[in-house]
Amino acid sequence: KQEVTQIPAALSVPEGENLVLNCSFTDSAIYNLQWFRQDPGKGLTSLLLIQSSQREQTSGRLNASLDKSSGRSTLYIAASQPGDSATYLCAAGPGAGSYQLTFGKGTKLSVIP
Amino acid sequence: DAGVIQSPRHEVTEMGQEVTLRCKPISGHNSLFWYRQTMMRGLELLIYFNNNVPIDDSGMPEDRFSAKMPNASFSTLKIQPSEPRDSAVYFCASRPEGITEAFFGQGTRLTVV
Repeated sequence: KQEVTQIPAALSVPEGENLVLNCSFTDSAIYNLQWFRQDPGKGLTSLLLIQSSQREQTSGRLNASLDKSSGRSTLYIAASQPGDSATYLCAAGPGAGSYQLTFGKGTKLSVIP
Repeated sequence: DAGVIQSPRHEVTEMGQEVTLRCKPISGHNSLFWYRQTMMRGLELLIYFNNNVPIDDSGMPEDRFSAKMPNASFSTLKIQPSEPRDSAVYFCASRPEGITEAFFGQGTRLTVV
């Protein structure tokens, strides 16, 4: 059974700092790895999706990498802003014959002005 | 497109009452998922529909929970009778055929007192 872990559970950084959020998964037979953002009281917004054949994806100040062999993904946020404050969740996507996204519990990020 | 629409956004009910949560997936999406999010367990898949047919309901916690998808544009999740431990945020998500990226609704926050 796939298990996804995100460490740390919470992170507080000053504005402008570059930061890395970590995600690890136990079963490397994944089809993709997806990063989501969740704001308080809101739903999940998809940020980046990395297919298993890819190493990384970039969108603006966000860069996500995937290393299937080590069971790890990272989300890099450059020049953090107070508006980046949210909970970030990673989810291991369906492997062969499967469909279920397995989520980590998230990292709550606070960017201090 | 308005995205995945869930209703109600908030529901407070007394223990023992029936609760019905509703979801309208994005038009053209043929897969629909119901998830539950709690602090303790994070996001958990409850049930997965494909082309309106329940494919996997192994995540439904007990017989008090039931889900239906009478057509491609509507699904319900019902809890009868509700219990305080059912208090959580319930998310609906959909995705189109051949695409692994999931799109989430804003969730229904359920409180059972």
